Amino acid sequence: EIVLTQSPGTLSLSPGERATLSCRASQSINSIYLAWYQQKPGQAPRLLVYGASSRATGIPDRFSGSGSGTDFTLTISRLEPEDFAVYYCQQFGSSPYTFGQGTKLDIK
Amino acid sequence: EVQLVESGGGLVKPGGSLRLSCVASGFTFTNAWMNWVRQAPGKGLEWVGRIKSKTDGGTTDYAAPVKGRFTISRDDSKNTLYLQMNSLTTEDTAVYYCIRYKPLEGVYWGQGTLVTVSS
Repeated sequence: EIVLTQSPGTLSLSPGERATLSCRASQSINSIYLAWYQQKPGQAPRLLVYGASSRATGIPDRFSGSGSGTDFTLTISRLEPEDFAVYYCQQFGSSPYTFGQGTKLDIK
Repeated sequence: EVQLVESGGGLVKPGGSLRLSCVASGFTFTNAWMNWVRQAPGKGLEWVGRIKSKTDGGTTDYAAPVKGRFTISRDDSKNTLYLQMNSLTTEDTAVYYCIRYKPLEGVYWGQGTLVTVSS
């Protein structure tokens, strides 16, 4: 089983700042199988990035994904108030299709 | 437009059974590998299992906590995915989502259906 470890667990930043979220895999993953989601309370997860670096439809360009192998990053270039939420990574490369434990991005 | 609509959630007693459905539209369901994911209250996301398309063998995989109790099936004539859940425990209380992942295209989620296991 591929374990995805997200860091940090909680990230406290202010609007306008840059956020860098990490997702580290216990084994190498083909980049096409790595996705990032945003989730707000009471809502279903929203796809942000798939294939490690492709933004989903309608996602602002302040969100970007990068990485390969075992290290992947989601960057939010300038935080907007609506970006404060929980973020998850998921891999579809090898069953079970595991999730990271999440990074909570909250307002400082 | 891809749409996934789950139904069948509700309150069930420990040891009971429930069957969830997910009706798909906006894509060729026959060719799709489909998944179930769940989220317990206040917890993270947990992959439950997957079924391949019939052309790829139609086989299933499950997460360890549900293996032997849950069964994923599909009816391609109805564009519908199912999750049969047996021997339910309070640990199975969660919102259940069906999702479709297509490489180089993205991941599509339903809105979820709540399953509550309680006496």
